[in-house]
Amino acid sequence: KNEVEQSPQNLTAQEGEFITINCSYSVGISALHWLQQHPGGGIVSLFMLSSGKKKHGRLIATINIQEKHSSLHITASHPRDSAVYICAEWYSGGGADGLTFGKGTHLIIQP
Amino acid sequence: NAGVTQTPKFRVLKTGQSMTLLCAQDMNHEYMYWYRQDPGMGLRLIHYSVGEGTTAKGEVPDGYNVSRLKKQNFLLGLESAAPSQTSVYFCASSYSWTVNTEAFFGQGTRLTVV
Repeated sequence: KNEVEQSPQNLTAQEGEFITINCSYSVGISALHWLQQHPGGGIVSLFMLSSGKKKHGRLIATINIQEKHSSLHITASHPRDSAVYICAEWYSGGGADGLTFGKGTHLIIQP
Repeated sequence: NAGVTQTPKFRVLKTGQSMTLLCAQDMNHEYMYWYRQDPGMGLRLIHYSVGEGTTAKGEVPDGYNVSRLKKQNFLLGLESAAPSQTSVYFCASSYSWTVNTEAFFGQGTRLTVV
């Protein structure tokens, strides 16, 4: 069974700090997703990547296929970045296709 | 731009009661999904649908039923609610079932079974 592990589980930082959230998966992937969930809100897709690096505003996602590892970076963090960040791996194989989700990283940015 | 809409947003049920959660999407997506989110666990797939009139079981289907009578709607039913079904339920939809497909999520339904 594919497993997706995120670290840290909880992260509190000061406004302006550079944030890194890590995601590791156990089997070879087809694609990895990063999602954002605000308190009391829905889930929004941030990135979908299967190689290299993607950037959107202050958010950067990278993936290393050989090491089965992905990172989400936030530059110049802001209190509005406070949310739960979830990575999910699209696994295709063995008759079981679909997304496997990590447990999420709860990020708090203090002003 | 409604996207994926879930109703209701909150509900409290007594053990043994039944209810239906409605998911509606206006993006003409073929694929729709119901997930549950529990503390300390990742989202888990309950049931999914690959098109109108079709449904399939996911990872945790027991105690739930679904129907997809119209392409834009995906209903999740609890016939006899149990406290173990207290959770936050998310509906999602996607254009296809491939590696590069983005999934769109609803706002969630917080269900408490007492």
